[in-house]
Amino acid sequence: DVKVTQSSRYLVKRTGEKVFLECVQDMDHENMFWYRQDPGLGLRLIYFSYDVKMKEKGDIPEGYSVSREKKERFSLILESASTNQTSMYLCASSSTGPAGPYEQYFGPGTRLTVT
Amino acid sequence: DQQVKQNSPSLSVQEGRISILNCDYTNSMFDYFLWYKKYPAEGPTFLISISSIKDKNEDGRFTVFLNKSAKHLSLHIVPSQPGDSAVYFCAAQLSNTGNQFYFGTGTSLTVIP
Repeated sequence: DVKVTQSSRYLVKRTGEKVFLECVQDMDHENMFWYRQDPGLGLRLIYFSYDVKMKEKGDIPEGYSVSREKKERFSLILESASTNQTSMYLCASSSTGPAGPYEQYFGPGTRLTVT
Repeated sequence: DQQVKQNSPSLSVQEGRISILNCDYTNSMFDYFLWYKKYPAEGPTFLISISSIKDKNEDGRFTVFLNKSAKHLSLHIVPSQPGDSAVYFCAAQLSNTGNQFYFGTGTSLTVIP
């Protein structure tokens, strides 16, 4: 059973702080993703990674960076948090292979509030 | 630009009746489509998928229909149950370009007991 865990369920940070959101998956998936979910906007892709140390920008990468030093771990970094980054952040992972495509498995989400 | 659209933000249905959730897409190259279900304070969970070589896929109470010429897919839930109340997202993929999914904005389904 695939498990994707996120370091925090709820987080409150101040404007200008550096914020780290961590995601760990236990199924040896190659692909990992960070989304944010906002009312009326659905899930928007921030960054994704196909392999260790590799990263690709999604649709809304501005104000974010990512790190993937190990296959199972994908971190999202808000360099200087702003109030417009208040959102639900969702991490996902998926496999890659000849029998694909494969669905993405999501973590429970982190509700980040920036004050 | 939103490539996958769900034009109904919400839907209410009586228990036992059919729920029909709709999704439209703009990119004719999409070849794989999925539906996810999301409860509040939880991550989305995979529900059902369909490849572009099919026009229907069924799994229990859930059926997804794909109309490629209209670039439209729909999810039918029969019979609807109160536990089906959740937000439903459709997603589309270009499988030969990697594993990136394009998600719709979601439809909030309420099943009234």
